[in-house]
Amino acid sequence: GDSVTQMEGPVTLSEEAFLTINCTYTATGYPSLFWYVQYPGEGLQLLLKATKADDKGSNKGFEATYRKETTSFHLEKGSVQVSDSAVYFCALSSNAGGTSYGKLTFGQGTILTVHP
Amino acid sequence: DVKVTQSSRYLVKRTGEKVFLECVQDMDHENMFWYRQDPGLGLRLIYFSYDVKMKEKGDIPEGYSVSREKKERFSLILESASTNQTSMYLCASGFRLAYEQYFGPGTRLTVT
Repeated sequence: GDSVTQMEGPVTLSEEAFLTINCTYTATGYPSLFWYVQYPGEGLQLLLKATKADDKGSNKGFEATYRKETTSFHLEKGSVQVSDSAVYFCALSSNAGGTSYGKLTFGQGTILTVHP
Repeated sequence: DVKVTQSSRYLVKRTGEKVFLECVQDMDHENMFWYRQDPGLGLRLIYFSYDVKMKEKGDIPEGYSVSREKKERFSLILESASTNQTSMYLCASGFRLAYEQYFGPGTRLTVT
């Protein structure tokens, strides 16, 4: 079945440091890939997405490129801020077999803490 | 803005009680989902619904049931709460073919 593996956390960085959170996936068909973010005390919100190979999703300074050859969708940001402290989830939605119910498979989440 | 609301932010129940968690969305989404979130395990799908009165089991449906009588409302029911159901419960909704999901703020349920 489909699965998503994220790098283990927690990740602790100083403000303005470079961020990478690794995400790899296993899926049948041609999945769409997502990064969701969960700020403290809130539900998840969509950060960025990519729907086909070589697409780059970007939002709020974060970027991720859909790499089919390495089955990866790593999240990067050039200069993190304290306000980026949150839990980040990689997810995929596969339409293998023609089902289109919009189900997502999530990774386990990576806790990011950014210190001033 | 899409709004997904959940009936409670925090809930404390006793073992054996019947528990209802309510979720309402205001965007006319066909799909609605219930997840539980546990540290180190990420989000696990309990049940989802793709239309009124339609439901399908997710990855961990045991001990739970759901109800969707109206398009905007999706209820999660714990028939007889147990301590291993202590968790954060997240509701989400989305359009049938769009894959993006919009989440509520979550209900932290403690079963004692």
